[in-house]
Amino acid sequence: EVQLLESGGGLVQPGGSLRLSCAASGFTFSTYAMSWVRQAPGKGLEWVSGISGTGGSTYYADSVKGRFTISRDNSKNMMYLQMNSLRAEHTAVYYCAKAGVGVADGNFDYWGQGTLVTVSS
Amino acid sequence: DIQMTQSPSSLPASVGDRVTITCRASQSISSYLNWYQQKPGKAPKLLIYAASSLQSGVPSRFSGSGSGTDFTLTISSLQPEDFATYYCQQTYSTPWTFGQGTKVEIK
Repeated sequence: EVQLLESGGGLVQPGGSLRLSCAASGFTFSTYAMSWVRQAPGKGLEWVSGISGTGGSTYYADSVKGRFTISRDNSKNMMYLQMNSLRAEHTAVYYCAKAGVGVADGNFDYWGQGTLVTVSS
Repeated sequence: DIQMTQSPSSLPASVGDRVTITCRASQSISSYLNWYQQKPGKAPKLLIYAASSLQSGVPSRFSGSGSGTDFTLTISSLQPEDFATYYCQQTYSTPWTFGQGTKVEIK
């Protein structure tokens, strides 16, 4: 059974940093691209960042480019999102999502339960 | 960036209704279009990928159609568990973008 478990969310002050983690199980992790998708309170879905199966290619939304860094450790079946210089508008539930079906790496067939990041003083 | 626009934003409906949600892309995206369902407090669930392919385990009352810039999600006979918010998403090019969502609610 595919499982994705996010951790690392919490309350952080503006300007602070946070690292989110996603623990994957139930599939051959290194074979699949992965992404982070966020949802601000009461709002819609926003793709944040993606990474290829090998980790050799990374992709970012313009809104986080230069501020967030995605990475993965295939030996540990883990994906990470390092978030720096956080602002109130980064407050959201952050989901870890697995790509899998069809040819596009943005087809997310499994999602974690999400971890809440709150940026506030 | 490719903008995705859904209509309507809210859709009052009754059990048994045939429901259609529309999604329009700001440029042609071929068939690189997915549909997700999200219930309150839960993660999204993939329903349809590549515009018309039904994800494994999804009931056949869900169907998708379209290509280029105009797409539709149809629920042939709305069931109680289908009241939720639906999002379209393009995967033609990064950044992968979502529509603003359509909330299917009880009439």
